This record gives sequence, C-alpha cells and structure tokens, in this order.
Amino acid sequence: DTEVTQTPKHLVMGMTNKKSLKCEQHMGHRAMYWYKQKAKKPPELMFVYSYEKLSINESVPSRFSPECPNSSLLNLHLHALQPEDSALYLCASSHLALAGGSYEQYFGPGTRLTVT
Amino acid sequence: RKEVEQDPGPFNVPEGATVAFNCTYSNSASQSFFWYRQDCRKEPKLLMSVYSSGNEDGRFTAQLNRASQYISLLIRDSKLSDSATYLCVVRTLRSYNTDKLIFGTGTRLQVFP
Repeated sequence: DTEVTQTPKHLVMGMTNKKSLKCEQHMGHRAMYWYKQKAKKPPELMFVYSYEKLSINESVPSRFSPECPNSSLLNLHLHALQPEDSALYLCASSHLALAGGSYEQYFGPGTRLTVT
Repeated sequence: RKEVEQDPGPFNVPEGATVAFNCTYSNSASQSFFWYRQDCRKEPKLLMSVYSSGNEDGRFTAQLNRASQYISLLIRDSKLSDSATYLCVVRTLRSYNTDKLIFGTGTRLQVFP
C-alpha cells in the first residue's frame, strides 16, 4: 500500500482565519514533506520532517506552521494567509535518505486551498 | 541556470507513436533520479526510478547518463491515457538522513486519436 491521505480536499479560507491541513501515511515512512504547487508549476518544497523532527524549512513564512505529532501524521497550520498563498498543498512521505539509497517519495492527493 | 531542465512541450503525438523526453541536471552530486507523471489537478505519481544501467517497465524506458548529467524517458506505442505532464525529478542529499527532490518544470504530452 503506497497511500498517503490528505484532508480536506478543498479549503476556502479568509485572510483572518486559522485552519489546518492534515496528512497521514501508514507505510512506516519516517520522512514526511510539505510541498506547495501553483498552476502550471512544479511542486516547491516547504518543509521536511525526519524522525518527527523538522529538518528542512525552505524559508517559508511563519504564517505556515508545520507539526508532526507522530510518525504517521503531519499537519500544516495556517494563519493570516494571503491570496497569493492559494495553491495545491501536497504532502509526501518516504523512507529516510541514506547515501546511495533510492527512496521514492509518495504523494497524497493534495488540498486545494483558496484564500479570499 | 535551473537545477533540472526539461523541454516544456507540449508534445502532441498520435496514438501508437513513440515519444522521447529529455532532462538535464546541474548538480553532479545528485543521488537518485525519477520520472513522475502528473495529471491535471492531481498529485504527482511515481512512474519509474531511473538507474545507470537503464531500465524498462512495459512501454516505458528510462536512461541515465551521469557523465553528461542527462536523463531520458521513452514511451512506445503511446495511448490516449498517457496524456499528462511528465516531471523529471532529481534527489539530492541535503544532510544526513534528509534529502530533497528537485523537480523539472515538466513536459506536457497530449496523445490524440
């Protein structure tokens, strides 16, 4: 089973709202990722968690706050977003990177976020 | 220069055609290489990993040339269902146990009847 699930599928929020995106996997992966994808662009990495600890933050604004409560779950807390933050937010997971390994990342279906 | 470069296309081909996509990457320390497929408004799905010896999966053949930092994907006997965007993806090791995928901008394929 290579399934990564994400909720909600769609989200519309105002600029003063607080919302959370959720991601779950049961493949035993210890690396989890958040990506942002705008239309006709490739996914852009936002955050990486390894062993439930934040290992990469790609200079993402603080209005995006990730959280990894356990090895299966990954959340992205949203607060005071801007209209330009509207995008498809993708979660992915993989086994941990080891030099010489080839660990594929598996993506969830994404949350399509619209900020009004 | 982008880290991973692809011809954006679109490639418009008839059913049954053979089509080839190319990709170049700039970081010679890149660890692993992949082709992902992405349908409109869907998530990227792993199509295949790419190995130095070349590998084949049904109608799909991937090749890697590390010396030239070049990756290719060949699709034979194209089907209508092959219409999608094909993303060339390179994995680099950022730190111990943490890696990063670098995506090309994708090549759009449209197969017509």
